[in-house]
Amino acid sequence: RKEVEQDPGPFNVPEGATVAFNCTYSNSASQSFFWYRQDCRKEPKLLMSVYSSGNEDGRFTAQLNRASQYISLLIRDSKLSDSATYLCVVGGSGNTPLVFGKGTRLSVIA
Amino acid sequence: DAGVIQSPRHEVTEMGQEVTLRCKPISGHNSLFWYRQTMMRGLELLIYFNNNVPIDDSGMPEDRFSAKMPNASFSTLKIQPSEPRDSAVYFCASTGGAGLVDEQYFGPGTRLTVT
Repeated sequence: RKEVEQDPGPFNVPEGATVAFNCTYSNSASQSFFWYRQDCRKEPKLLMSVYSSGNEDGRFTAQLNRASQYISLLIRDSKLSDSATYLCVVGGSGNTPLVFGKGTRLSVIA
Repeated sequence: DAGVIQSPRHEVTEMGQEVTLRCKPISGHNSLFWYRQTMMRGLELLIYFNNNVPIDDSGMPEDRFSAKMPNASFSTLKIQPSEPRDSAVYFCASTGGAGLVDEQYFGPGTRLTVT
């Protein structure tokens, strides 16, 4: 089983739609969780951290289910500018580096 | 403030040639990471340094790859000799946190093509 698994997509959605991405991780000792965004031919950038209680940033909501080792990202009211690849990222303890998923590609179409 | 700086941004070379990629982390950051990204394998960690010391190089594909960090503001990743399968985007990232689970700031990457 891969350490971090994501549906590669692509997800093609119309503007204004709600879209959800899922991610599973294999290391039950993982302690930190993030979503990164990567635009075409650009570097990955932090979108948001994921907390156990779930967290929201504008149109974006991230949730964590430790029992199922599952992370989700919900995007409401999709914009054309949301088109990108979304990387699920998981970290262990302070002594092990982050592990990146391969990403889920989103295309928001007019 | 300058982010992570990488050079060159693009490199095209012939098989067998030596390739050197360069990275300047964000000033004050004490951990530096080298990644390789391809469509097939995604983002792979090659090696990381903490306070200029290599901590884990288990991701380095083979002896053709080597990395150095002579000081806190500079690191290199060298491939010698290069092969077509080394073609990828190579990212450098840095973080200022004491642990390894803090946000990583990525450079713009070097797109390497080996013909």
